[in-house]
Amino acid sequence: TQLLEQSPQFLSIQEGENLTVYCNSSSVFSSLQWYRQEPGEGPVLLVTVVTGGEVKKLKRLTFQFGDARKDSSLHITAAQPGDTGLYLCADRLADSNYQLIWGAGTKLIIKP
Amino acid sequence: DAMVIQNPRYQVTQFGKPVTLSCSQTLNHNVMYWYQQKSSQAPKLLFHYYDKDFNNEADTPDNFQSRRPNTSFCFLDIRSPGLGDAAMYLCATSRHTGPTSPYNEQFFGPGTRLTVL
Repeated sequence: TQLLEQSPQFLSIQEGENLTVYCNSSSVFSSLQWYRQEPGEGPVLLVTVVTGGEVKKLKRLTFQFGDARKDSSLHITAAQPGDTGLYLCADRLADSNYQLIWGAGTKLIIKP
Repeated sequence: DAMVIQNPRYQVTQFGKPVTLSCSQTLNHNVMYWYQQKSSQAPKLLFHYYDKDFNNEADTPDNFQSRRPNTSFCFLDIRSPGLGDAAMYLCATSRHTGPTSPYNEQFFGPGTRLTVL
């Protein structure tokens, strides 16, 4: 059974700082998705990465996918209070075409 | 705008009193999911529908039931809520594009926060 491990579990930093959070898998990812969930809302997809070594940018967010497709990182530059939320990574379940397996998430708080 | 809508946003019920949560979607997606999420944890899948086919997770309690009368609507029924059922309930949809598609984005509603007194 595939396991997704996210680290750190919790991160609290000041506005303007940079940060990186990680998602590691016990087996090769099929297609890794990163979601952000703001307090009191449902998760929203940020990005999907598929190819080993892939780098995607979304404004101040940079997503990297490891060459071996077993790890991924999300780097936020100059964090803002609006970045506060739960960051979840997910992968397609091995024996399903559409179900996802989820990491436990990184809870990020950006203090003004 | 195409979206996933959940009602109500907040639901308070009494211990043991049945409650129904609703979800509707305008995305015309063929797959709908119900998740339970407790306090900053990962969403836990309860069940999902692939079109009309119902799929129950092995560890979903019998207390939880679901109905999908048509493509757009899906309901979560909790027959006898216990204190441990207090949580955020998330409805999500996805479009199954085929076995070789790498993209299975799920689109979530805002959730219903259930309180059990």
